[in-house]
Amino acid sequence: ETGVTQTPRHLVMGMTNKKSLKCEQHLGHNAMYWYKQSAKKPLELMFVYSLEERVENNSVPSRFSPECPNSSHLFLHLHTLQPEDSALYLCASSQDLPGELFFGEGSRLTVL
Amino acid sequence: GEDVEQSLFLSVREGDSSVINCTYTDSSSTYLYWYKQEPGAGLQLLTYIFSNMDMKQDQRLTVLLNKKDKHLSLRIADTQTGDSAIYFCAERSGGSYIPTFGRGTSLIVHP
Repeated sequence: ETGVTQTPRHLVMGMTNKKSLKCEQHLGHNAMYWYKQSAKKPLELMFVYSLEERVENNSVPSRFSPECPNSSHLFLHLHTLQPEDSALYLCASSQDLPGELFFGEGSRLTVL
Repeated sequence: GEDVEQSLFLSVREGDSSVINCTYTDSSSTYLYWYKQEPGAGLQLLTYIFSNMDMKQDQRLTVLLNKKDKHLSLRIADTQTGDSAIYFCAERSGGSYIPTFGRGTSLIVHP
């Protein structure tokens, strides 16, 4: 495995479900990010972790809950989502802050 | 308005040059980036330029920076169908560690 891997690639969930998105980076980086990509909107930064500590929480609703158990893994726990939360969720990593961002392929989330 | 603005679509014929434009508002921007997102994939850094430069060339790619007008452009020479993708402009000031992205420009290359 190389680069940044995200699972699942596609997820459909109801508004009352609880699910999680997973990101794993194999680059030895020490910073990880969650971004939200919606159609025709700027890429939105959600969370940043550096050395497993959250350093940025960009006014994200509490129905999104990140977790970074170690420098290689990042999770985004989802509960009680709304249809407008449907988007592509991108994970990225970098060596240090700032650093070049390496992105995963994204998890396409659909909330019914 | 948005911090980084790009037009949403650009259509070109194969073999022609493509020019993707971007404007930004932060006058303290120090680093400016172009990322490429191919269908079904994440973003990949294509090239970047420091604010003390006005041009950078890398094979078929030419980046032009007009700092006075806060305007960045990416020129792709001899555009190929494989260049069809979404291109994101991003900027970062020296005091920030996170780049700010635009909406992305969808480049469509037709025969």
